[in-house]
Amino acid sequence: KQEVTQIPAALSVPEGENLVLNCSFTDSAIYNLQWFRQDPGKGLTSLLLIQSSQREQTSGRLNASLDKSSGRSTLYIAASQPGDSATYLCAVRPPGGYQKVTFGTGTKLQVIP
Amino acid sequence: DAGITQSPRHKVTETGTPVTLRCHQTENHRYMYWYRQDPGHGLRLIHYSYGVKDTDKGEVSDGYSVSRSKTEDFLLTLESATSSQTSVYFCATSSGNYEQYFGPGTRLTVT
Repeated sequence: KQEVTQIPAALSVPEGENLVLNCSFTDSAIYNLQWFRQDPGKGLTSLLLIQSSQREQTSGRLNASLDKSSGRSTLYIAASQPGDSATYLCAVRPPGGYQKVTFGTGTKLQVIP
Repeated sequence: DAGITQSPRHKVTETGTPVTLRCHQTENHRYMYWYRQDPGHGLRLIHYSYGVKDTDKGEVSDGYSVSRSKTEDFLLTLESATSSQTSVYFCATSSGNYEQYFGPGTRLTVT
């Protein structure tokens, strides 16, 4: 059974700092990995999708990497802003595509002005 | 993001009553999902659909049923609501690349 862990559960940083969020998974046989952000009381917003054949994806100040052999993905946020404050979740999809996705429990990020 | 709406957005109901939540998408995505999100449990898959009239169970399907008669609509029904089904329910969709897009959620309280 796939298990997805995100450590730390909460993180507080000053504005402008570069930071890394971690996502670990136990089964390296994955189809893709997706990063989301969730604001309080809201739905999940897709940030980046990395296919199993890719090593990284970039969107603006965000960069996500994937190392299947070690069961790790990282989300790098450059020059953090108060608007980045949210909970960040990763989700791992197994081979077969549409089947059950396993979500991590998230890292709650607070960026202090 | 995909155009996904959920209705109702908030609902309070009594134990034992039937409840239907609706998910509507405008992106023509093939795959649709229902999740519930609870503190300490994260997001858990209830049911999913891989096409019209094609559905399957997720990890927490007991007490829930679904139907998909059109590509754009995916209904989640609680046949007889219980207090343990108090939760926030999210609908999601994905197309061929399996990138998931989420709706805004429905907060359901069963008293």
